[in-house]
This record gives sequence, structure tokens and C-alpha cells, in this order.
Amino acid sequence: GAGVSQSPRYKVAKRGQDVALRCDPISGHVSLFWYQQALGQGPEFLTYFQNEAQLDKSGLPSDRFFAERPEGSVSTLKIQRTQQEDSAVYLCASSTGQGAGTEAFFGQGTRLTVV
Amino acid sequence: GQNIDQPTEMTATEGAIVQINCTYQTSGFNGLFWYQQHAGEAPTFLSYNVLDGLEEKGRFSSFLSRSKGYSYLLLKELQMKDSASYLCAVRGLNSGYALNFGKGTSLLVTP
Repeated sequence: GAGVSQSPRYKVAKRGQDVALRCDPISGHVSLFWYQQALGQGPEFLTYFQNEAQLDKSGLPSDRFFAERPEGSVSTLKIQRTQQEDSAVYLCASSTGQGAGTEAFFGQGTRLTVV
Repeated sequence: GQNIDQPTEMTATEGAIVQINCTYQTSGFNGLFWYQQHAGEAPTFLSYNVLDGLEEKGRFSSFLSRSKGYSYLLLKELQMKDSASYLCAVRGLNSGYALNFGKGTSLLVTP
């Protein structure tokens, strides 16, 4: 497709369950970012990939969060033993990484609800 | 780190002009972005400023003053469809140009 695609759009998980969220970036985009957006808040940075290399994971809130991009295209954000505070929209964004002015294109996000 | 502040909510009338302010404090600056986000949708790019001054793009303009750590987004000839959240974001010098967002300003356009 032409844009960033995320799946699923909605996920309800029971507390303690593991979840996996998928991001298909725009083809050829080198940079990929994951953000977490709580209700009524701006997106918060989680992690950054350049191709398959995870260069920054400083925003991941705990060791229950894990992200990968093994072939430098599709990325998966995994959350283990979900907690209620993990409920949020998880946004993926990609860019060409060609310069500071390069805009990031966002997917529609996955809304995770932990019950 | 970066602190980014913008008003939580604003209301304006259809056809009017509205200015959404954003102030920031950052240890490293590599540009300021404005994004628009409708409820339940992806943020979409509106503007980018890295040098001081005004960038105009149709009904939308964005201004930056680096010395003051200040930006604003100006929306002219407001339309009902402009009701959305407007996100101010600062790009730092590391993390692959990751964006650090403010909490967003929810704009309501009324008839």
C-alpha cells in the first residue's frame, strides 16, 4: 500500500496476556519509529530502527516491551504480561531518513485495551 | 530532554483565524513540526520550520523563533473540518530524528 499500515486496528487483551502489534512501513523507508499515545495526550517516543538495527530503545517503559525489525521492513512491537497501564494507541511511523526536515508518515495505530 | 507546552483546548468560529502557540525547551534542536490529528486517525504532517520566520502553506502558516523557543501555527478561513488536535513536535539531534511531541491542542471549530 501507499501508506504505513498497522494491524490489528483494535486489540483487547486480558491482563497478563502477551500481545504483538505489527507495522508495515512505506516501502523503502529506512527509519521506523514506535510511539505510544495515551488518551488526550501527544505521542510518546518508544523506539527507533534504522533498517534492521534498533538504535534507540530509551523510550520503552519496561522490559516487558520488545520491538524488532529483522529484515529492515516490517516491525513488531511485543508487550509481555500486559498491564492496564499499557492501554493506549500504539503508533508506528516511517521516514526516508534523508535529513532533519524529512517528515515522518504515521499509521492509524493499534488501540490496545487491557482488561 | 525536551519540554513542549501548548494550550490544551481552543475554540474558534468558522471563517475566523486562530493561532496555536507552542513553547519548547530543548538541549538540541533540529527542527519543529506541526501535525494534525483527527480523532482515531493518524497524525498527518502540516509544516516544518528549522530557521526563524514564517512558512506559509495555503490556509496554514507556521512561525518559529529559535532564540525564544517559540512557534505558532496559524489557521486562516477556518472550516468545520479543521476541528482536530494539533501537535507541536521538536526534533532533537539524535535518535534518528525522532520527534518529541507536546500534548496537543484540541481545536473546536463552531458554526
